[in-house]
Amino acid sequence: KNEVEQSPQNLTAQEGEFITINCSYSVGISALHWLQQHPGGGIVSLFMLSSGKKKHGRLIATINIQEKHSSLHITASHPRDSAVYICATRTGNQFYFGTGTSLTVIP
Amino acid sequence: DVKVTQSSRYLVKRTGEKVFLECVQDMDHENMFWYRQDPGLGLRLIYFSYDVKMKEKGDIPEGYSVSREKKERFSLILESASTNQTSMYLCASSLWGDYGYTFGSGTRLTVV
Repeated sequence: KNEVEQSPQNLTAQEGEFITINCSYSVGISALHWLQQHPGGGIVSLFMLSSGKKKHGRLIATINIQEKHSSLHITASHPRDSAVYICATRTGNQFYFGTGTSLTVIP
Repeated sequence: DVKVTQSSRYLVKRTGEKVFLECVQDMDHENMFWYRQDPGLGLRLIYFSYDVKMKEKGDIPEGYSVSREKKERFSLILESASTNQTSMYLCASSLWGDYGYTFGSGTRLTVV
């Protein structure tokens, strides 16, 4: 089983701030996902990573396979970024999820 | 636009009732999954299916069963609902591996 740890659990930021959410995992993986869940439940897949770095708009995700660590960065944060961000790893056919980071961006 | 649709957004059921949660995907995906999400515990896999009529237990299958008679539909069944099954239930589907992994919008089930 892969232990997936996220930090911080809760994060409050002022609009415009640069935000980092961290994810560490315990065993080798095939891929890592960053997911976004808005209030009300729907989950959207933001990134899938197996190495390096990906960028989509104001979102950047990085992964260091050797250190078993990934980060999600949000530049110029906005209140609409308020959501729960979940890190998930895939090992074989099994996904393992972190408990999520609840982000609130204040105008 | 690809979609995973869960039949109910909110559901209230009584203890002992048989409950069906339906999930339909329109992407011709092979794999379908049922998770429950609880505060502090994150998402936990209940069952998954990699083909019609095939199913595999996840981490917490007790008290649940599933049915996949058609490729696009994956049903989660609570044979006799209990209050500790009050939770958010999320369905997901994917092609093989990670490709196209997509979640539904969830069903918040309350068992009273």
